[in-house]
Amino acid sequence: AQSVTQLGSHVSVSEGALVLLRCNYSSSVPPYLFWYVQYPNQGLQLLLKYTTGATLVKGINGFEAEFKKSETSFHLTKPSAHMSDAAEYFCAVIYLRANSKLTFGKGITLSVRP
Amino acid sequence: NAGVTQTPKFQVLKTGQSMTLQCAQDMNHEYMSWYRQDPGMGLRLIHYSVGAGITDQGEVPNGYNVSRSTTEDFPLRLLSAAPSQTSVYFCASSVNRQAGGTFGSGTRLTVV
Repeated sequence: AQSVTQLGSHVSVSEGALVLLRCNYSSSVPPYLFWYVQYPNQGLQLLLKYTTGATLVKGINGFEAEFKKSETSFHLTKPSAHMSDAAEYFCAVIYLRANSKLTFGKGITLSVRP
Repeated sequence: NAGVTQTPKFQVLKTGQSMTLQCAQDMNHEYMSWYRQDPGMGLRLIHYSVGAGITDQGEVPNGYNVSRSTTEDFPLRLLSAAPSQTSVYFCASSVNRQAGGTFGSGTRLTVV
């Protein structure tokens, strides 16, 4: 069963527009949630993570995400897109139970139009 | 502050050949893992290790072997390469299983 879902494979926004990348997980077990960014021909870089505590998490490069337990979601947002935000973004989850492993979504490619 | 170092960056193999992808970290992390990345499939866990001498299988372990003789190194071995193993391979390390991880820059492997 898929543990984390990223709907769609590509999002295109205009420079300066809101960025919204969706991520939903699928377990009632408490999760730790992560967003990673991958620039072309590079490895993955951690943008932000939610473990416990405050549900609104701020990350690098102006990104933030909100953990909503009732919606099993952890959507990534940025108020104003920059050309340098063009990359692939991965949501990942690990559940607080024995033998759980970090599981990645399929990724979303973000394009930013001038 | 090298982080996670993967070598080589690129490799072309013929079907049936064997090779080892190297991964080293200098952060004294206990948890290390190997993923493969294929278009439209995200990253899939191949093998992982929770400490020196301890390894276990992930989601897609077939055709790959690992060992962890030291905290720093976690090599991935392809015993008999197949075209289905054409992929980009990433190694990651973290203080524990739940910490997410620091990723290497990847090895792009092509099997012909």
